[in-house]
Amino acid sequence: QSVLTQPPSVSGAPGQRVTISCTGSSSNIGAGYDVHWYQQLPGTAPKVVTHDNTDRPSGVPDRFSASKSGTSASLAITGLQAEDEADYYCQSFDTSLRAWVFGGGTKLTVL
Amino acid sequence: QVQLQESGPGLVKPSETLSLTCAVSGYSISSGYSWGWIRQPPGKGLEWIGNIYHDGRSSHNPSLNSRVTISVDTSKNQFSLKLSSVTASDTAVYHCVKLETSGCFAYWGQGSLVTVSS
Repeated sequence: QSVLTQPPSVSGAPGQRVTISCTGSSSNIGAGYDVHWYQQLPGTAPKVVTHDNTDRPSGVPDRFSASKSGTSASLAITGLQAEDEADYYCQSFDTSLRAWVFGGGTKLTVL
Repeated sequence: QVQLQESGPGLVKPSETLSLTCAVSGYSISSGYSWGWIRQPPGKGLEWIGNIYHDGRSSHNPSLNSRVTISVDTSKNQFSLKLSSVTASDTAVYHCVKLETSGCFAYWGQGSLVTVSS
Protein backbone atom coordinates (compact mmCIF):
# COMPACT_ATOMS: atom_id res chain seq x y z
CA GLN A 1 0.00 0.00 0.00
CA SER A 2 1.62 3.23 -1.17
CA VAL A 3 1.64 6.36 0.99
CA LEU A 4 0.53 8.36 -2.05
CA THR A 5 -2.60 6.94 -3.69
CA GLN A 6 -3.06 6.93 -7.45
CA PRO A 7 -5.70 5.22 -9.60
CA PRO A 8 -4.27 2.00 -11.09
CA SER A 9 -5.35 2.96 -14.58
CA VAL A 10 -6.86 5.71 -16.71
CA SER A 11 -7.66 5.82 -20.40
CA GLY A 12 -8.66 8.25 -23.10
CA ALA A 13 -9.01 8.57 -26.84
CA PRO A 14 -6.48 10.50 -28.94
CA GLY A 15 -7.02 14.22 -28.58
CA GLN A 16 -8.88 13.94 -25.29
CA ARG A 17 -7.87 15.19 -21.84
CA VAL A 18 -7.13 12.92 -18.89
CA THR A 19 -6.18 13.61 -15.30
CA ILE A 20 -4.31 11.44 -12.81
CA SER A 21 -4.83 12.10 -9.12
CA CYS A 22 -2.34 11.66 -6.30
CA THR A 23 -3.81 11.65 -2.82
CA GLY A 24 -1.56 12.06 0.20
CA SER A 25 -1.91 13.24 3.78
CA SER A 26 -0.86 15.89 6.27
CA SER A 27 2.55 14.24 6.64
CA ASN A 28 3.52 14.58 2.99
CA ILE A 29 1.69 16.69 0.37
CA GLY A 30 -0.37 18.44 3.03
CA ALA A 31 2.78 19.34 4.96
CA GLY A 32 3.90 21.48 2.05
CA TYR A 33 6.41 19.17 0.39
CA ASP A 34 6.74 19.52 -3.34
CA VAL A 35 5.14 17.00 -5.70
CA HIS A 36 6.89 15.70 -8.80
CA TRP A 37 5.52 13.57 -11.63
CA TYR A 38 7.36 10.96 -13.71
CA GLN A 39 6.55 9.20 -16.97
CA GLN A 40 7.88 5.69 -17.48
CA LEU A 41 7.68 4.25 -20.98
CA PRO A 42 7.93 0.45 -21.23
CA GLY A 43 11.45 -0.81 -20.59
CA THR A 44 12.90 2.61 -19.82
CA ALA A 45 13.86 4.67 -16.78
CA PRO A 46 11.34 7.18 -15.39
CA LYS A 47 11.55 10.71 -16.76
CA VAL A 48 10.39 13.93 -15.07
CA VAL A 49 7.33 15.47 -16.74
CA THR A 50 6.59 18.06 -14.03
CA HIS A 51 8.47 19.12 -10.89
CA ASP A 52 8.03 21.43 -7.92
CA ASN A 53 4.24 21.04 -8.08
CA THR A 54 3.60 22.88 -11.33
CA ASP A 55 6.84 23.38 -13.29
CA ARG A 56 7.62 21.66 -16.55
CA PRO A 57 11.19 20.80 -17.65
CA SER A 58 12.34 22.09 -21.01
CA GLY A 59 11.49 19.62 -23.72
CA VAL A 60 8.28 18.39 -22.10
CA PRO A 61 5.24 19.41 -24.19
CA ASP A 62 2.91 21.99 -22.67
CA ARG A 63 0.17 19.37 -23.00
CA PHE A 64 1.41 18.21 -19.59
CA SER A 65 0.44 20.29 -16.56
CA ALA A 66 0.25 19.66 -12.84
CA SER A 67 -1.40 21.19 -9.81
CA LYS A 68 -1.46 20.76 -6.06
CA SER A 69 -4.10 21.59 -3.47
CA GLY A 70 -4.27 20.60 0.17
CA THR A 71 -3.28 16.97 0.55
CA SER A 72 -3.63 16.10 -3.16
CA ALA A 73 -2.03 16.73 -6.50
CA SER A 74 -2.94 15.96 -10.08
CA LEU A 75 -1.38 15.61 -13.49
CA ALA A 76 -3.36 16.63 -16.58
CA ILE A 77 -2.55 15.62 -20.13
CA THR A 78 -4.43 17.34 -22.94
CA GLY A 79 -4.50 16.45 -26.63
CA LEU A 80 -3.68 12.80 -25.86
CA GLN A 81 -1.27 11.13 -28.23
CA ALA A 82 -0.35 7.47 -28.66
CA GLU A 83 3.17 8.24 -27.42
CA ASP A 84 1.74 9.30 -24.04
CA GLU A 85 0.83 5.69 -23.24
CA ALA A 86 2.99 4.92 -20.21
CA ASP A 87 3.04 4.52 -16.43
CA TYR A 88 2.92 7.74 -14.41
CA TYR A 89 4.14 8.18 -10.82
CA CYS A 90 3.77 11.03 -8.33
CA GLN A 91 6.47 11.57 -5.69
CA SER A 92 6.95 13.67 -2.56
CA PHE A 93 8.51 13.48 0.92
CA ASP A 94 6.86 12.04 4.00
CA THR A 95 7.93 13.53 7.29
CA SER A 96 6.49 10.72 9.41
CA LEU A 97 8.27 8.00 7.44
CA ARG A 98 11.34 10.21 6.92
CA ALA A 99 11.44 8.97 3.36
CA TRP A 100 10.96 10.07 -0.22
CA VAL A 101 7.75 8.34 -1.30
CA PHE A 102 6.08 7.45 -4.58
CA GLY A 103 2.52 6.78 -5.60
CA GLY A 104 1.73 3.25 -6.75
CA GLY A 105 1.68 4.34 -10.38
CA THR A 106 -1.07 4.83 -12.96
CA LYS A 107 -1.12 3.08 -16.32
CA LEU A 108 -2.37 5.42 -19.04
CA THR A 109 -3.90 3.70 -22.05
CA VAL A 110 -4.57 5.67 -25.23
CA LEU A 111 -7.56 3.99 -26.85
CA GLN B 1 24.15 16.91 -19.66
CA VAL B 2 24.34 14.74 -16.55
CA GLN B 3 24.56 11.03 -17.27
CA LEU B 4 24.53 8.15 -14.80
CA GLN B 5 25.48 4.52 -15.43
CA GLU B 6 25.01 1.63 -13.04
CA SER B 7 27.31 -1.40 -12.93
CA GLY B 8 27.55 -4.52 -10.83
CA PRO B 9 26.63 -8.22 -10.66
CA GLY B 10 23.27 -9.19 -12.08
CA LEU B 11 22.91 -12.20 -9.80
CA VAL B 12 23.34 -12.33 -6.02
CA LYS B 13 22.78 -15.28 -3.70
CA PRO B 14 20.32 -15.04 -0.79
CA SER B 15 21.85 -13.73 2.46
CA GLU B 16 24.77 -12.16 0.57
CA THR B 17 25.43 -8.45 -0.11
CA LEU B 18 24.28 -6.68 -3.26
CA SER B 19 26.84 -4.16 -4.54
CA LEU B 20 26.31 -1.58 -7.28
CA THR B 21 28.28 1.41 -8.49
CA CYS B 22 27.05 4.48 -10.35
CA ALA B 23 29.46 6.37 -12.60
CA VAL B 24 28.53 10.03 -13.11
CA SER B 25 29.51 12.08 -16.15
CA GLY B 26 28.71 15.65 -17.11
CA TYR B 27 28.79 16.89 -13.49
CA SER B 28 31.28 16.72 -10.64
CA ILE B 29 29.78 15.04 -7.56
CA SER B 30 32.05 17.14 -5.35
CA SER B 31 30.27 20.28 -6.60
CA GLY B 32 27.17 19.44 -4.65
CA TYR B 33 23.67 18.00 -4.75
CA SER B 34 22.56 14.60 -3.52
CA TRP B 35 22.93 11.26 -5.29
CA GLY B 36 20.84 8.19 -4.61
CA TRP B 37 19.30 4.86 -5.45
CA ILE B 38 15.75 3.85 -6.36
CA ARG B 39 14.58 0.34 -7.13
CA GLN B 40 11.67 -1.19 -8.99
CA PRO B 41 10.72 -4.87 -8.56
CA PRO B 42 9.54 -6.50 -11.80
CA GLY B 43 6.05 -5.29 -12.66
CA LYS B 44 5.82 -3.12 -9.53
CA GLY B 45 6.29 0.49 -8.46
CA LEU B 46 9.21 2.65 -7.40
CA GLU B 47 10.91 2.57 -3.98
CA TRP B 48 13.47 5.06 -2.68
CA ILE B 49 16.46 3.28 -1.14
CA GLY B 50 18.67 6.13 0.03
CA ASN B 51 20.92 8.99 -0.99
CA ILE B 52 24.24 10.60 -0.17
CA TYR B 53 25.49 14.17 -0.34
CA HIS B 54 28.84 15.19 -1.78
CA ASP B 55 30.14 15.68 1.75
CA GLY B 56 29.32 12.11 2.73
CA ARG B 57 26.13 12.70 4.72
CA SER B 58 23.60 10.03 3.86
CA SER B 59 20.06 8.93 4.56
CA HIS B 60 18.17 5.78 3.73
CA ASN B 61 14.67 4.37 3.73
CA PRO B 62 13.89 3.19 7.29
CA SER B 63 11.88 0.31 5.81
CA LEU B 64 15.15 -1.33 4.74
CA ASN B 65 16.17 -1.82 8.38
CA SER B 66 19.70 -0.45 8.17
CA ARG B 67 20.76 -2.98 5.50
CA VAL B 68 21.76 -0.07 3.28
CA THR B 69 25.19 1.52 2.96
CA ILE B 70 25.78 4.29 0.43
CA SER B 71 29.24 5.73 -0.14
CA VAL B 72 30.77 8.28 -2.48
CA ASP B 73 34.17 8.40 -4.21
CA THR B 74 34.65 11.94 -5.49
CA SER B 75 38.06 11.07 -6.99
CA LYS B 76 36.33 8.66 -9.38
CA ASN B 77 33.12 10.72 -9.60
CA GLN B 78 31.03 7.76 -8.59
CA PHE B 79 28.92 6.50 -5.71
CA SER B 80 28.00 3.04 -4.54
CA LEU B 81 25.24 1.01 -2.91
CA LYS B 82 25.57 -2.00 -0.67
CA LEU B 83 22.46 -3.88 0.47
CA SER B 84 23.15 -6.67 2.93
CA SER B 85 21.31 -9.91 3.77
CA VAL B 86 19.36 -9.92 0.52
CA THR B 87 16.33 -12.10 -0.13
CA ALA B 88 14.25 -12.80 -3.22
CA SER B 89 12.16 -9.71 -2.43
CA ASP B 90 15.21 -7.56 -3.18
CA THR B 91 15.09 -8.65 -6.83
CA ALA B 92 14.57 -5.45 -8.80
CA VAL B 93 15.90 -3.00 -11.33
CA TYR B 94 18.14 -0.62 -9.42
CA HIS B 95 18.45 2.96 -10.72
CA CYS B 96 20.96 5.53 -9.59
CA VAL B 97 19.65 9.10 -9.55
CA LYS B 98 20.59 12.75 -9.02
CA LEU B 99 18.36 14.48 -6.50
CA GLU B 100 17.60 18.18 -6.90
CA THR B 101 17.23 20.50 -3.91
CA SER B 102 13.43 20.37 -4.23
CA GLY B 103 13.46 16.59 -3.92
CA CYS B 104 12.92 15.89 -7.60
CA PHE B 105 14.86 12.92 -9.00
CA ALA B 106 15.92 14.83 -12.08
CA TYR B 107 18.36 12.42 -13.69
CA TRP B 108 18.19 8.61 -13.81
CA GLY B 109 20.53 5.85 -14.87
CA GLN B 110 19.08 3.29 -17.27
CA GLY B 111 18.85 0.77 -14.45
CA SER B 112 20.55 -2.51 -13.55
CA LEU B 113 18.53 -5.69 -12.99
CA VAL B 114 19.69 -7.59 -9.93
CA THR B 115 18.22 -11.03 -9.31
CA VAL B 116 18.52 -12.69 -5.93
CA SER B 117 18.61 -16.43 -6.39
CA SER B 118 20.69 -19.41 -5.39
